Amino acid sequence: EPEVTQTPSHQVTQMGQEVILRCVPISNHLYFYWYRQILGQKVEFLVSFYNNEISEKSEIFDDQFSVERPDGSNFTLKIRSTKLEDSAMYFCASSEVETEAFFGQGTRLTVV
Amino acid sequence: AQSVSQHNHHVILSEAASLELGCNYSYGGTVNLFWYVQYPGQHLQLLLKYFSGDPLVKGIKGFEAEFIKSKFSFNLRKPSVQWSDTAEYFCAVILDTGRRALTFGSGTRLQVQP
Repeated sequence: EPEVTQTPSHQVTQMGQEVILRCVPISNHLYFYWYRQILGQKVEFLVSFYNNEISEKSEIFDDQFSVERPDGSNFTLKIRSTKLEDSAMYFCASSEVETEAFFGQGTRLTVV
Repeated sequence: AQSVSQHNHHVILSEAASLELGCNYSYGGTVNLFWYVQYPGQHLQLLLKYFSGDPLVKGIKGFEAEFIKSKFSFNLRKPSVQWSDTAEYFCAVILDTGRRALTFGSGTRLQVQP
C-alpha cells in the first residue's frame, strides 16, 4: 500500500538554527500538507501546497516557515531560526483532488 | 471561531463493550467530516469520511458514524470493541468545501481492557 514517508523521525536542533523536514508524498497525489502537534495539544494545520504554490496557510505559518517541492518527489518544510515553541510533531500529508489526506508517521522536532 | 470538540478525552472500556465517541463542530456552512485513528507508534489513518449522501457512514474495522446536521455532530460508534481498538481517535472537519485544511478535535484516547 502506498504511503507518505517522512525523514528524519526525530530531529534535535539548537534554538536559532534552521531545520528542514522532508516528506515523500504518495506519487499520484496532487495536494500536499504540513500539520503539527505540540505535545498535549491538537493537531494543527500549517499549510497546503498545490500546483507548485501555497494554496492555503494558517496564521501559524508565518515568515519563519517555508515549503518547497524541489525535485518533483520530495516536499520539504523549512523552519528558519527555530524557537523553543517550535518543538512539536510535524506531520506531512498528501491527497488526490477530492479525497481524504494520507498522513506520514511524523517527525518529532525538539528545539533545545 | 470555528472549532471541533471532542468531549471524551480518555475512555476505558472492556472488550465487547459498545463505543460511542462524541464529535461536535461549530460552523454553519457545508462541511466534510472525518474520523482518523492513531494506533500506538503509528501514523494517522482514516477510519471513515462523510462528504455527502447517506448520513450514516460505515468505515473500516466495524466503525460507523452518523452525521446529524441539526446537532452539528458526527459521533463515532462501534457495537463491540476489541483490545486492538486501543488507540487515539481524532475527529476532523474541512470547513467549507472550497478548502482543504483539516480542523482537528483534541482527540480521544481509547483504552480497551481484555
